[in-house]
Amino acid sequence: KNEVEQSPQNLTAQEGEFITINCSYSVGISALHWLQQHPGGGIVSLFMLSSGKKKHGRLIATINIQEKHSSLHITASHPRDSAVYICAVGQGGSNYKLTFGKGTLLTVNP
Amino acid sequence: KAGVTQTPRYLIKTRGQQVTLSCSPISGHRSVSWYQQTPGQGLQFLFEYFSETQRNKGNFPGRFSGRQFSNSRSEMNVSTLELGDSALYLCASREGVNTEAFFGQGTRLTVV
Repeated sequence: KNEVEQSPQNLTAQEGEFITINCSYSVGISALHWLQQHPGGGIVSLFMLSSGKKKHGRLIATINIQEKHSSLHITASHPRDSAVYICAVGQGGSNYKLTFGKGTLLTVNP
Repeated sequence: KAGVTQTPRYLIKTRGQQVTLSCSPISGHRSVSWYQQTPGQGLQFLFEYFSETQRNKGNFPGRFSGRQFSNSRSEMNVSTLELGDSALYLCASREGVNTEAFFGQGTRLTVV
């Protein structure tokens, strides 16, 4: 079993829909990261969180440390949100290491 | 501030050759980590450097090595290339412990 599990693997939505991507992990973590990867490869860090909830524009990330679960929400989705969303857990302090989920491919149709 | 810069962006090498990839972190960031991304395995951690010292290493063979210079720029080297080394290699820089990671655009290596 992977240490970081994401669901769903693929998600297709219509523009304007509310989207949720889930991430569960089985190890102790220092922080959880949500990343976005567009075709072509570049990765953008969306959130880094270790508790509670963070919001940036239409994106919201939550984490429940006790349940070892995090969600990424996109409100009022737009075709430009189409990308792969990757959950990664960070472990360690000075020897920090990221372990990644397999990613969720989101396609938002106009 | 300039972002994380990786060079080259694309590379084609022949089996058995070696390759060196470069990563320049964001100014002031002392941590550089390297990752391999393949369609089958996804993103996997290679190693992390902080102030010229390797602090953590992933589960990769000894053919994969790296180093960090005093200006925090980092290089990774893969010797005796295999077809399976074809991948997108990403580096990320961080300012310090438990801080956000900023990724470069990656180097796409193709081994033929």
